[in-house]
Amino acid sequence: DAKTTQPPSMDCAEGRAANLPCNHSTISGNEYVYWYRQIHSQGPQYIIHGLKNNETNEMASLIITEDRKSSTLILPHATLRDTAVYYCIVRGRFTSGTYKYIFGTGTRLKVLA
Amino acid sequence: GAVVSQHPSRVICKSGTSVKIECRSLDFQATTMFWYRQFPKQSLMLMATSNEGSKATYEQGVEKDKFLINHASLTLSTLTVTSAHPEDSSFYICSARDYGRTEVTDTQYFGPGTRLTVL
Repeated sequence: DAKTTQPPSMDCAEGRAANLPCNHSTISGNEYVYWYRQIHSQGPQYIIHGLKNNETNEMASLIITEDRKSSTLILPHATLRDTAVYYCIVRGRFTSGTYKYIFGTGTRLKVLA
Repeated sequence: GAVVSQHPSRVICKSGTSVKIECRSLDFQATTMFWYRQFPKQSLMLMATSNEGSKATYEQGVEKDKFLINHASLTLSTLTVTSAHPEDSSFYICSARDYGRTEVTDTQYFGPGTRLTVL
């Protein structure tokens, strides 16, 4: 299974960009990188995913390095509501006809007023 | 789109009773659903993979007789915690994969979670 490594916590000033890094050095060529966030006592919320090209949607941007061994999630203008635990996931092993997610410990982002 | 619901959101039960948790995909069909549990200040841990019309696949260390999973339709999977004990108290979260989307990825959409407290 591809593993991911994220810093345990980060702070970001409100209104500034939040850049959350993730290392996935054992990623395989066809494995996507997914980002989710979990606000306290809620289920994870899908943010974005990518394979090798940079991706952007209404929530965030995803920058994947050329060798695909790391990526960065960018929240362009962080708000207090972005305070959450952010998980970087690389698709895990294939069993029962589907791939599984293996959750790491994530990064606890705190947006400061 | 891609909304997953869970019911109930919170349940308190006595030790020895059974509790059923429902997971529904509201606007898509999900041939595969997943069940996770999460203890306070910890990450999500996959318990089992549920495929519609077949038996669930449990992760190592998860007791299949204690955590019964049924995926009888393309929009509903249930998790029953049998003979619950206080150590089963946890946050249970389901997710579903939307096979209807054209892109070939494995994006999962998560429910809001069910907090189980066993007294």
